[in-house]
Amino acid sequence: GQQLNQSPQSMFIQEGEDVSMNCTSSSIFNTWLWYKQDPGEGPVLLIALYKAGELTSNGRLTAQFGITRKDSFLNISASIPSDVGIYFCAGSTQGGSEKLVFGKGTKLTVNP
Amino acid sequence: GAGVSQSPRYKVTKRGQDVALRCDPISGHVSLYWYRQALGQGPEFLTYFNYEAQQDKSGLPNDRFSAERPEGSISTLTIQRTEQRDSAMYRCASSLLPGASNEKLFFGSGTQLSVL
Repeated sequence: GQQLNQSPQSMFIQEGEDVSMNCTSSSIFNTWLWYKQDPGEGPVLLIALYKAGELTSNGRLTAQFGITRKDSFLNISASIPSDVGIYFCAGSTQGGSEKLVFGKGTKLTVNP
Repeated sequence: GAGVSQSPRYKVTKRGQDVALRCDPISGHVSLYWYRQALGQGPEFLTYFNYEAQQDKSGLPNDRFSAERPEGSISTLTIQRTEQRDSAMYRCASSLLPGASNEKLFFGSGTQLSVL
């Protein structure tokens, strides 16, 4: 089945540093989404991308939908301790699939 | 309710037993999704409903898994004759309108299933 390759698997950074993570796929996706999951909670949507090449910001978060439709990245600027968590990329394929395919997640640790 | 509610929060069962996991979506949400999340993995799609109609069950692993949403609100995911490999976090999500990729999904806190 479809798979999303998300990297890195984990990151350990100092407060104030910028963070970058990405997802790639062998399949074309028509929507890319980025979620954050806190311990004991379900994923929460951060950013949604609907068009190839689209660059979208949400506060300190910036995400881009790759031109090839097979990749996306998420940047977090000036990280703070509450950024700790697991970040998931997710995509849906052409054809308007209701199913989301998720990456395996990037676990972010921020040292104060 | 204020958010997606799932019960029980934890379920420990013996291999071979049947289990029923409940999801109460946000009031008025049309679409309801079931995902399964193994430790260290992202959520994996199982099935989804629009109102009471099951639209896609292609993610259900085998015929021991079934789901229903008879009145278009609360949903139950049933696993018959549980096996150890069924152990995972089962997450429910709902959205106001159909379209998981275009409508904001609200996830519940999940039911952690452990099959001994």
